[in-house]
Amino acid sequence: EPEVTQTPSHQVTQMGQEVILRCVPISNHLYFYWYRQILGQKVEFLVSFYNNEISEKSEIFDDQFSVERPDGSNFTLKIRSTKLEDSAMYFCASSEVMRGSTDTQYFGPGTRLTVL
Amino acid sequence: RKEVEQDPGPFNVPEGATVAFNCTYSNSASQSFFWYRQDCRKEPKLLMSVYSSGNEDGRFTAQLNRASQYISLLIRDSKLSDSATYLCVVTNAGNMLTFGGGTRLMVKP
Repeated sequence: EPEVTQTPSHQVTQMGQEVILRCVPISNHLYFYWYRQILGQKVEFLVSFYNNEISEKSEIFDDQFSVERPDGSNFTLKIRSTKLEDSAMYFCASSEVMRGSTDTQYFGPGTRLTVL
Repeated sequence: RKEVEQDPGPFNVPEGATVAFNCTYSNSASQSFFWYRQDCRKEPKLLMSVYSSGNEDGRFTAQLNRASQYISLLIRDSKLSDSATYLCVVTNAGNMLTFGGGTRLMVKP
């Protein structure tokens, strides 16, 4: 069964450093997403991406965040200058169909980011 | 008011029991509704979509009441493997999933 993959599984970084989280969505999917989950809290939407541009973003997704699809398979989330409060599990997801349809989002296993 | 509200639990039930979870959502324009399951430190996985007519998948039954903005999940004949956190999820105009805080279920032998 096709699945979303994410690397690394755990990233430890110092405050102020840049991190890049990587995802490989399911191959025939068109929409890509990033969510985060701070320990003990709910899953929160960050951004969605379609046709090489951001289609929606939340208030959390400020100027320190960016997303990119550098090639035909990878989808990345960059955090430019990490803060302690960025420590969370970051989930990538992808879906096949377009807005307005039943578009199941499939989640990757997550990257646990720890900012020291 | 939270967009999606759930009782955090935990619900502790014996194997074989029937258990029901409820969820309310605040945006009357919400369009799609789902139950996801999340195991400890794992990713959310889709359990089932929820339709106004109600739908069933094996031991799981989901109901949607748009007038009351209320979603339910019923699990019959609980198994040990059903122990997890159940996430109520809605979408509004776009594809953004809005998650509730989850309801934790623990099924005991």
